[in-house]
Amino acid sequence: QQQVKQSPQSLIVQKGGISIINCAYENTAFDYFPWYQQFPGKGPALLIAIRPDVSEKKEGRFTISFNKSAKQFSLHIMDSQPGDSATYFCAASKETSGSRLTFGEGTQLTVNP
Amino acid sequence: DAGVIQSPRHEVTEMGQEVTLRCKPISGHNSLFWYRQTMMRGLELLIYFNNNVPIDDSGMPEDRFSAKMPNASFSTLKIQPSEPRDSAVYFCASRPGLATDTQYFGPGTRLTVL
Repeated sequence: QQQVKQSPQSLIVQKGGISIINCAYENTAFDYFPWYQQFPGKGPALLIAIRPDVSEKKEGRFTISFNKSAKQFSLHIMDSQPGDSATYFCAASKETSGSRLTFGEGTQLTVNP
Repeated sequence: DAGVIQSPRHEVTEMGQEVTLRCKPISGHNSLFWYRQTMMRGLELLIYFNNNVPIDDSGMPEDRFSAKMPNASFSTLKIQPSEPRDSAVYFCASRPGLATDTQYFGPGTRLTVL
């Protein structure tokens, strides 16, 4: 019930291409879905987040697509750049004070020049 | 803003020794989280505190691990005795209050147990 499954484990994209990372969750009580970005040697940092009342959220080149009925959400990185090379984690939680984030396994993205 | 501060940044110790990791959360944040990251297991939540009170420690591997938060500005994660399988990067994160608030991660402590 608390799992968040993320795929693929690793992804290689050419510069300018579209990177797509997928996540699926089980707990229908989840109502907050953030994506975190982690560069080598650094802690994860919030990239973008969505709530289930919308099906898509876009911030610059980053877009979250959300499918509530399928219990799936995905991160799309348009015009991928070498600087986007990092590990990306999806996560989910319930919007109650004190509750925890459940993280996916992570996707290591490499954008080749 | 200084962000979440962790110390030490790197720790190398021998099996059987006690290890203490320290964290200073962002001022005003009500929740604090300890995570462990390894290649094999990814990012695991060990324990989290809300208003200095431990809420969920189900991720703590075993009795060798303990965490405290004596006040709103300081937390420790202790491993006694340490074992080679404890080698990992340990992150501390803090959050203002609500579950939908951003978690801010520290730079991590890379622990190596020989």
